[in-house]
Amino acid sequence: DQQVKQNSPSLSVQEGRISILNCDYTNSMFDYFLWYKKYPAEGPTFLISISSIKDKNEDGRFTVFLNKSAKHLSLHIVPSQPGDSAVYFCAARGNNDMRFGAGTRLTVKP
Amino acid sequence: GAGVSQSPRYKVAKRGQDVALRCDPISGHVSLFWYQQALGQGPEFLTYFQNEAQLDKSGLPSDRFFAERPEGSVSTLKIQRTQQEDSAVYLCASSLVPTSGSGMSQETQYFGPGTRLLVL
Repeated sequence: DQQVKQNSPSLSVQEGRISILNCDYTNSMFDYFLWYKKYPAEGPTFLISISSIKDKNEDGRFTVFLNKSAKHLSLHIVPSQPGDSAVYFCAARGNNDMRFGAGTRLTVKP
Repeated sequence: GAGVSQSPRYKVAKRGQDVALRCDPISGHVSLFWYQQALGQGPEFLTYFQNEAQLDKSGLPSDRFFAERPEGSVSTLKIQRTQQEDSAVYLCASSLVPTSGSGMSQETQYFGPGTRLLVL
């Protein structure tokens, strides 16, 4: 059962523009959501998170939005930089585990 | 300030061979997790330790998979009689505090680089 879905396997954006990565989930019991960034041959690196009691969390160029009624969250990166090119995983925290989406490969073109 | 380390980074095994994958979590981290990541997919939960206690092993795909953390620090994931479908990247993650459902930032999981297992 895929409880966390990232429906866009890839996204290409011009440098300086906004990148918007989307994530949907099905389990209303999830209480904490995270975005991880992954470069090739490395493990996922924590990027930003949001608790279910909030609808927005901002950290520099990165902002995560949570819409609980729609069971949807998104990651906004602005302005996008070539170094942001990586695979981004959305994750939702359940009891003892985290459920991950399949990832979205972001390419930021110079 | 070492992060989570895993060894070996790459492992090629013949079908039927036993393998052991090691994880060194961040010092002082209470929680340790193992994930399996198939090609083109996100990590999938295997098992969770709080100190030396294995509190959740619901994600282990079969009884060929076994994990231990005897002293509450280093953990080993063992796969017996490997099969081709076991080929994946095995990720270890640790967090400072136990998961509590409160959404605390200290529960953020930090991942190692993974062990890429190829079973021929």
